[in-house]
Formats: sequence, structure tokens, C-alpha cells
Amino acid sequence: GAVVSQHPSWVICKSGTSVKIECRSLDFQATTMFWYRQFPKQSLMLMATSNEGSKATYEQGVEKDKFLINHASLTLSTLTVTSAHPEDSSFYICSARTERQPNSPLHFGNGTRLTVT
Amino acid sequence: AQTVTQSQPEMSVQEAETVTLSCTYDTSESDYYLFWYKQPPSRQMILVIRQEAYKQQNATENRFSVNFQKAAKSFSLKISDSQLGDAAMYFCASFKASGTYKYIFGTGTRLKVLA
Repeated sequence: GAVVSQHPSWVICKSGTSVKIECRSLDFQATTMFWYRQFPKQSLMLMATSNEGSKATYEQGVEKDKFLINHASLTLSTLTVTSAHPEDSSFYICSARTERQPNSPLHFGNGTRLTVT
Repeated sequence: AQTVTQSQPEMSVQEAETVTLSCTYDTSESDYYLFWYKQPPSRQMILVIRQEAYKQQNATENRFSVNFQKAAKSFSLKISDSQLGDAAMYFCASFKASGTYKYIFGTGTRLKVLA
């Protein structure tokens, strides 16, 4: 089945630094990737949608200058949390789908737990 | 706008029994899909079952089945012969299959399976 690899699985960084999270589709071409944020015991909140080769579409309330998303190829998208603050600590999950199959489900990475100290 | 509502924050079921998780959604789209995902403690999101809105027949995957009521915009998940491994958070999701592709998730239902 389709595999999405997300790296790192966890990261601890100091306040003010930047952190990059990678999301790779290993055996399919991901025309669209989605980045979600999940707070403890809560649902997945869509942050942004990225299509290969174009700018990401951010959801209302998500700071695009803080959460930089790049989708430079059909197999890789990155989320960079810039100037991280403790309130950015959360669980971030990427997911990918291919539009070659309209009803194809989302394939999820294993998530990244970010802790900002 | 798409919305997905799960009104049961938590449910419990005895092992081997049947449980139904509720989900309602709202969309103005005619072409959409519905999904149930499971998130165990590992936090890996796992697809349980999916339903195309244009299909009248309810989807079934082994012990998992849905009751899709399109007019009522209801999409409940039935788990038969519940197993301990079914314990997890369950999220209902809708997907708009045109324009800006977007998955929207409900708030989740935590399922506990009692031995």
C-alpha cells in the first residue's frame, strides 16, 4: 500500500529557532499534500494544502510566514516552523493523496511531536 | 463550507459486542467522499472504511460497516464483534472531490473496549 514517511518523529528545539519537518511519499506521486496539527485529545486541524509546484493554500488563522510549506516535488513536502515558540509545541501530521484516483484516501505519515522549550 | 460533527466524545463497548459511532456532516457539494479513520495510541492514522456519496450501497469492510443516510447527511460506523485492538480514537472525515480538494475531520470519538 501507499506509504508516507514523515521525519523526524519527534524534535525538541529552543524558542526562537526553526524546525523543518519532511514528508515523503515513498511509492506514489503525491499531487497534493496536507499538513495537520493535532493538540492532545483533539481532532486534526488542517493547516494548509500544498500542490506540487505551487504555493500552499493556508487555512484561516494559520500564519503562512511562520509555517513555511514547500512542495517542490511529487514526493516531498516540507513544513518549516520558523522562530518557534512554546505555543507551537504540538503534534504535526502530514498526509498525501494522488489525484489520479479521485476517491483515493489520504495516506498519513506517522506524525512529528514538536516540543519547543 | 464543509463541517463534520461527531457528537459522542467517548463510547464503551464490551468485547465481542457491537457498537455504533455517529457522524453527521454538512456539505453543499454533490461529489464527495466520506471516511472513517482510526488513531490508536501510536497516533498513526489508519483508514477503516470509505464511502462514495454517489453510491447508495453501504460500504463494508469485514467487521466494519457504515450506515450512510445521504438525505440526513449521516454516516455512522458500526463495529461488530469488537476486539481489544479496536480501542482507539475514531475520526469521521469528508472529502470534497472538486475545486479545492480538502479533507475535514470531526472531533473524534474515543472508543474503549472492555474485556
